[in-house]
Amino acid sequence: EIVMTQSPATLSVSPGERVTLSCRASQSFSSDLAWYQQRPGRAPRLLIQGASTRATGIPARFSGSGSGTEFTLTISSLQSEDFAVYYCQQYNKWPHTFGQGTKLEIK
Amino acid sequence: VLLVASGGDLVQPGGSLRLSCVVSGFTASPNPMSWVRQAPGKGLEWVSIIHSGGRTYYADSVKGRFTISRDNSKDTVYLQMNSLRTEDTAVYYCAVHPNYFDPWGQGTLVTVSS
Repeated sequence: EIVMTQSPATLSVSPGERVTLSCRASQSFSSDLAWYQQRPGRAPRLLIQGASTRATGIPARFSGSGSGTEFTLTISSLQSEDFAVYYCQQYNKWPHTFGQGTKLEIK
Repeated sequence: VLLVASGGDLVQPGGSLRLSCVVSGFTASPNPMSWVRQAPGKGLEWVSIIHSGGRTYYADSVKGRFTISRDNSKDTVYLQMNSLRTEDTAVYYCAVHPNYFDPWGQGTLVTVSS
């Protein structure tokens, strides 16, 4: 199984800052990667699929990049509603696996 | 598009439970559907998938104990959970799963405890 490792586990940032979240895969693949946002008490929401394609309705401040084993999610200017947990997920091989999450908290 | 999961409850170890996920706003039948769970304070774990033709796959952690099924006439997906263990305690989400998961239902809480 492909193991997905996210770093850091927690990131303390201020509103308006730019932030980059990392996701590393234990095996290389092209672009079969998605990013999700989960706010407290809510279901996850798809942000990015295909490593870099924003889902419908996702603001342009969210962007994804990467291939191989290194992927990133960048939020260009943090808004208050962006403080949440973010997960990456690979769908290159079964079973599809998630990273353990990165929590964005307010500094 | 709305997915509504239900059926979660408190159950004793060794017990059984059936979860349901009703889809509205689009036709679920052509789409693969999955269950994903999240233990309290933990991350996301894919549990099971059912494809439009009925093929099913399971995570090793639930294989032989859980059964996924679907009733396309009711736009509903089920998860029959038997021989439940304390480690199965989690919020269970249903989701459309062509490769990534989108959209998701709101989740239903399963608690396995004596």
